[in-house]
Amino acid sequence: DIQMTQSPSTLSASVGDRVTITCRASQSTSSWLAWYQQKPGKAPKLLIYKASSLESGVPSRFSGSGSGTEFTLTISSLQPDDFATYYCQQYSSFALTFGGGTKVEIK
Amino acid sequence: EVQMLESGGGLVQPGGSLRLSCAASGFTLSTYAMTWVRQAPGKGLEWVSGISGSGDRTYYADSVKGRFTISRDNSKNSLYLRMNSLRAEDTAVYYCAKERDGSAYYFFDYWGQGTLVTVSS
Repeated sequence: DIQMTQSPSTLSASVGDRVTITCRASQSTSSWLAWYQQKPGKAPKLLIYKASSLESGVPSRFSGSGSGTEFTLTISSLQPDDFATYYCQQYSSFALTFGGGTKVEIK
Repeated sequence: EVQMLESGGGLVQPGGSLRLSCAASGFTLSTYAMTWVRQAPGKGLEWVSGISGSGDRTYYADSVKGRFTISRDNSKNSLYLRMNSLRAEDTAVYYCAKERDGSAYYFFDYWGQGTLVTVSS
């Protein structure tokens, strides 16, 4: 199985900050990577797919980049609604795997 | 409007069985692969199982292979997860989710609200 490692596991930031989350795969996933946002008690929400494609309705302050084994999710200017946990997911091969999550907290 | 509603969760003893259901509406179920993802209390997301739109291909995480069975009834707009030989480590909220665009790429744009399965004596 492909292992997905996210860093950091927790990130403290202020409104307006630029935030970057990294996801590394144990082997190449090409560009078959998605990012999700999850808030407490809620289902995940798709943000990015195919590493850099922005899902419809998602604010443009979210962006994704990378290919192969290293990927990043960037929030260009953190907003109050963005404090949540973020997960990457590879869909290059089964078993599908998620990263361990990055919790973005208020500084 | 796309909606998915899970049901069937609850408290079960170790070794017991449960059948989860996911009722889908607002889209043609047969067009899309579907999946089950779980989240143990306070933990991250774990993919459990997936099934193709027609139901002819199924996939499982090693942690549930041989114990869980995914199925679907497109005529009833429903997805199922039969869980046997349940263990304490299967305790989690179970989400059903819909593949985004019918291309058989397993990433997911709509999720249900989840149903809690608790395995305890």
